[in-house]
Amino acid sequence: KAGVTQTPRYLIKTRGQQVTLSCSPISGHRSVSWYQQTPGQGLQFLFEYFSETQRNKGNFPGRFSGRQFSNSRSEMNVSTLELGDSALYLCASSLDGLAEQFFGPGTRLTVL
Amino acid sequence: GENVEQHPSTLSVQEGDSAVIKCTYSDSASNYFPWYKQELGKRPQLIIDIRSNVGEKKDQRIAVTLNKTAKHFSLHITETQPEDSAVYFCAALPSGGFKTIFGAGTRLFVKA
Repeated sequence: KAGVTQTPRYLIKTRGQQVTLSCSPISGHRSVSWYQQTPGQGLQFLFEYFSETQRNKGNFPGRFSGRQFSNSRSEMNVSTLELGDSALYLCASSLDGLAEQFFGPGTRLTVL
Repeated sequence: GENVEQHPSTLSVQEGDSAVIKCTYSDSASNYFPWYKQELGKRPQLIIDIRSNVGEKKDQRIAVTLNKTAKHFSLHITETQPEDSAVYFCAALPSGGFKTIFGAGTRLFVKA
């Protein structure tokens, strides 16, 4: 069974631009969560989707948004990028959002 | 809001010694507590988890204990090996569900 995949793996953007990251969960998993990982802050929860519905979100500004498609693939978008948005963005899938999560390799975003 | 505190932030042990990492959670209704291991440059992977109706769980050299009254849970690694060197994250799933809150991580060094 293929694991969680994320594209692209690396991105370099400049301040003010926007970016879209993609996540394909393990087949059969309907829950996808997104996290921001930075050296000093660990893993910060962004949002969780299940069957195309956002069920919970973390404490991030409205510039961070996401969506999920009918095939469970998910995208997150960050608009008006700031230097502080530079981080590793991880997505994780699970069957129902209540148990083990399987992480993707992450997208490393650098904002210049 | 929900919070998970993790200590220590760095832990160095001699090969063969035991390592203990402790976490405290704020939401008393949390019912799922996973531990993830992240090796350098790799994605986090689940190593053990425990639910609130269980006080202790073991898997070979790894064990997790949960004290619901004190809202504490701990990871115990016995007979540590160099390949145990990694960052370990504790996490809790609060009562609202679908939002895993991670601790800040513990960097474990096992010296040969």
